Amino acid sequence: GESVGLHLPTLSVQEGDNSIINCAYSNSASDYFIWYKQESGKGPQFIIDIRSNMDKRQGQRVTVLLNKTVKHLSLQIAATQPGDSAVYFCAENTGYKLSFGAGTTVTVRA
Amino acid sequence: DARVTQTPRHKVTEMGQEVTMRCQPILGHNTVFWYRQTMMQGLELLAYFRNRAPLDDSGMPKDRFSAEMPDATLATLKIQPSEPRDSAVYFCASGRDTGFNQPQHFGDGTRLSIL
Repeated sequence: GESVGLHLPTLSVQEGDNSIINCAYSNSASDYFIWYKQESGKGPQFIIDIRSNMDKRQGQRVTVLLNKTVKHLSLQIAATQPGDSAVYFCAENTGYKLSFGAGTTVTVRA
Repeated sequence: DARVTQTPRHKVTEMGQEVTMRCQPILGHNTVFWYRQTMMQGLELLAYFRNRAPLDDSGMPKDRFSAEMPDATLATLKIQPSEPRDSAVYFCASGRDTGFNQPQHFGDGTRLSIL
């Protein structure tokens, strides 16, 4: 079946460095993608989204890149801070349904 | 910032008991989703409502789970009778169905433990 998945389950990054979190998807018909951040004891928090007619979208300290040729999505976090430590999920929107990847745990080292 | 509100935040009860989880979607949102999160399965969609009408409950065990929206400000998820395997975190999310892709916004969940 088709699914959304993440390349790496964990990422350790030095405070101040840039982080890159990767995600692969397999449904070529998907036209909308979302990145969520989930902190311990909380629900997934919307970070940024991108539609399939775009290759790149920037937010505050975050950038999402979409490569439809290889069905790859990435989230870049600039100047990573301790508050960025969390689990990050990519989600693929098919109609009204979101399909979530397994999540990447990001740990920021001081 | 407007938020989805879920109550209770934590619930511990014995198997066989009825459990009711409540959700207040963000004002103006017309879609509501219930998810279950476990370590093994990740986030699973249980039910989907649009304009208070249930459109998809294929993810729910029909014999024990039920989901309703009595009004636009309240969604409920009930389990009766509850079983230990129902232990999980249950999330409600809401969104706006405007015909264009819009993100879902999540509450902080109900952590349910069935003993």
